Amino acid sequence: ETGVTQSPTHLIKTRGQQVTLRCSSQSGHNTVSWYQQALGQGPQFIFQYYREEENGRGNFPPRFSGLQFPNYSSELNVNALELDDSALYLCASSPALAGGETDEQFFGPGTRLTVL
Amino acid sequence: SQKIEQNSEALNIQEGKTATLTCNYTNYSPAYLQWYRQDPGRGPVFLLLIRENEKEKRKERLKVTFDTTLKQSLFHITASQPADSATYLCALDPMDSSYKLIFGSGTRLLVRP
Repeated sequence: ETGVTQSPTHLIKTRGQQVTLRCSSQSGHNTVSWYQQALGQGPQFIFQYYREEENGRGNFPPRFSGLQFPNYSSELNVNALELDDSALYLCASSPALAGGETDEQFFGPGTRLTVL
Repeated sequence: SQKIEQNSEALNIQEGKTATLTCNYTNYSPAYLQWYRQDPGRGPVFLLLIRENEKEKRKERLKVTFDTTLKQSLFHITASQPADSATYLCALDPMDSSYKLIFGSGTRLLVRP
């Protein structure tokens, strides 16, 4: 069983640029969530994708967007990068939603984004 | 306002002792809570899920309690080991059909040999 993988591991961008982060979900999982984790804080929910549709969204501006592909892998895109976007971006996959509950999340190692 | 709070100060204990970490929440009515472990530079790893009707749940040296009256969950590690040193995060589902987890900021545990 392959776990959740993310790429790249680290990334340095400058303010105003755009970035794309990638995630491969764990085998058999069709739900992918993205979180932003600032230093010393807990992960903050960005959005979730289920069967290629956005299924829920946190309090993030529209310049944060995503995609999920038929193989359940996912991308997070951030436009017009700001200094405060510097954080660890985590992808988490989970099995099919059951009764609307958010079940155990399987997290990837994250992508460390630095915006200069 | 809605909040989920964990002790921001690191917990420093001697090997072999029991570590107890606290998670308090305000203005949520979660049906369950989850606990995760996070090592530096790594993603969180799921440890335990406890439902509102379970009160207590155990897994090996781990024990979690859930008190919906106090709006609190306690996470215990018995016979702690230096390898237990990590940050422990609690998370809840706000039950607003948003499919998100709300995480606390975590408590760092240091177990001295």
